Amino acid sequence: GQQVMQIPQYQHVQEGEDFTTYCNSSTTLSNIQWYKQRPGGHPVFLIQLVKSGEVKKQKRLTFQFGEAKKNSSLHITATQTTDVGTYFCAGTTSGTYKYIFGTGTRLKVLA
Amino acid sequence: EAGVAQSPRYKIIEKRQSVAFWCNPISGHATLYWYQQILGQGPKLLIQFQNNGVVDDSQLPKDRFSAERLKGVDSTLKIQPAKLEDSAVYLCASSRGGVQTQYFGPGTRLLVL
Repeated sequence: GQQVMQIPQYQHVQEGEDFTTYCNSSTTLSNIQWYKQRPGGHPVFLIQLVKSGEVKKQKRLTFQFGEAKKNSSLHITATQTTDVGTYFCAGTTSGTYKYIFGTGTRLKVLA
Repeated sequence: EAGVAQSPRYKIIEKRQSVAFWCNPISGHATLYWYQQILGQGPKLLIQFQNNGVVDDSQLPKDRFSAERLKGVDSTLKIQPAKLEDSAVYLCASSRGGVQTQYFGPGTRLLVL
């Protein structure tokens, strides 16, 4: 079945350093969503990407959707302690609204 | 607008017992999802409703799990009988439909002893 993997599984960074997480799907996606889950919390929607090669920015966060629509990335510039949490991608394939969540990347930011 | 409500927040049961979770989605949201999130993993879709009809339940262990969404609003997820491996957080989410944003509830943390 469809699988969505994320790397790295964990990342520790010093505050102010950049961070990137990569999301790779075994099948072509029709769209991809990114969520952030704080420790002990629930996933919170960040953004949705639909078009091949799409790039979206939210303040210090940059999201990309690959040309082949099988991978995506989230880049955070100059991390802050408030960025701590687990970042999940979730993709859906054409003709279905069923989202497959990735394995997640847990980010720790050291002050 | 009020968010997705779930209850209870925590539940501890012994294996072979039954348990039920309740979810009240955001008003007007047609699509409702139940996810299982095991510690350290991403949410896994158990069942998806569109109004009160099931869209996908391919990953729902139907021998022990059941879910319903009466009148296309509230939903309940039941486990009967529970196994140790059912220990997880059960998340309910809702959306307007299609590929819209999913809004998650706080989840129910289940521990099966």
